[in-house]
Order: sequence, then C-alpha cells, then structure tokens
Amino acid sequence: DQQVKQNSPSLSVQEGRISILNCDYTNSMFDYFLWYKKYPAEGPTFLISISSIKDKNEDGRFTVFLNKSAKHLSLHIVPSQPGDSAVYFCAASALQGAQKLVFGQGTRLTINP
Amino acid sequence: DSGVTQTPKHLITATGQRVTLRCSPRSGDLSVYWYQQSLDQGLQFLIQYYNGEERAKGNILERFSAQQFPDLHSELNLSSLELGDSALYFCASSGPGLATDTQYFGPGTRLTVL
Repeated sequence: DQQVKQNSPSLSVQEGRISILNCDYTNSMFDYFLWYKKYPAEGPTFLISISSIKDKNEDGRFTVFLNKSAKHLSLHIVPSQPGDSAVYFCAASALQGAQKLVFGQGTRLTINP
Repeated sequence: DSGVTQTPKHLITATGQRVTLRCSPRSGDLSVYWYQQSLDQGLQFLIQYYNGEERAKGNILERFSAQQFPDLHSELNLSSLELGDSALYFCASSGPGLATDTQYFGPGTRLTVL
C-alpha cells in the first residue's frame, strides 16, 4: 500500500526553466510534508517542508505547494540549475505520534544545459 | 556533510550470515532512525530510537533488530540474511524530539548478500 506516490519516475528540464515535481498521498492523517534531494552515493538531504496549516512555503528557489483537498503537493524549483540534477523524494508524517517518515519512490530530475 | 556517520560504507556477505551496521548521530541529536532502500524503491522506515528507548517500529523483519547505546550511537543487526535483504540502509538522526524535527541522513551502508 503506497501511501505516498510520485508518479513520474523521471523529469527532464532545461536550465533556467521551472521544474515541477509532484507527489500524492492517500493517508489523511498526514499533516507534515517534506522534500529531500539525493545525489548518488550520498544520503538524502532535507530541502523544504510544509505543515498542513499552510498551503505554501518558500525557501529561495524552492517552493512547496500543498493542496489538502486533493491530497497533493508539489515542489517548484525556479530557475533550475544543473546542480539540481538529483533524485527528489517526497515524504510525509503524522505529527501526532511517531516521527517516522513515509517516502515516495522518488523522481529523477535532470537539468539540461 | 550531514554530521551523521555510518559504517561500513559497503558490506558483502553470504546468505545465512549476520551483519551489524553502525550509526553515529549528529552531536546533540537524541533520535536515531533506520530506513531501508531496496532497488527501485523509496525509503522504507524500519525503526526509531529516542534516547536509548525504542519509539516506533515500521516494517522491520523479525530477523532484524536494533539498539541505541548510552552514547546515542545505534546498531542495526541483520541475521539469517537472504538475497532480498540486499539494499541501501540509511540511518538518520534528529534533535530533541519535536514532531517537526528535521531528520538528517547519513551516507548509507550498501549491503550485498550473495
């Protein structure tokens, strides 16, 4: 039972354009959402998070949008840079209870020069 | 560098064997988490320890066990290994125990079972 889904295994974007990565979840108990970025041979690195009381959170080039009614979140990267090429994981947790993160399967983002 | 260290980086062993993976959390972090990433899979939560006590359990097999020591480092023990246990095992740590504490991941241990 995949509670967090990233339906696009890969995405290719031109440098300077906007990258949009999508994530859907099914568990209505989730109220905290995160995006992690992973380079080969490294562990995931935290990028940005959002709690369910907000619908948008911004940090520099990265913005996360949350649509609770659709159980959907997205990560926007603008402008995209070659160093953004990595695998991006969406994760979710329920703030009440354990802090375990439920991850999606990841989207490989490639930024083309 | 996240500040979380994991040893060894790579481990190759045979079916039926037992291995121990080690994790040192970031200085000051009380929580340690273990995750497994199999081929083409997202990270699957295994277990969480907080200040030496087990706090949450995920889909951890009975052949697997973990503990967190008084110095807060943690070990994940995998026994009676099967081919399907081949995966990347990540450790993460987080701070004082707030639900919104960011989890910082180590570089992982790649386990290959032959």
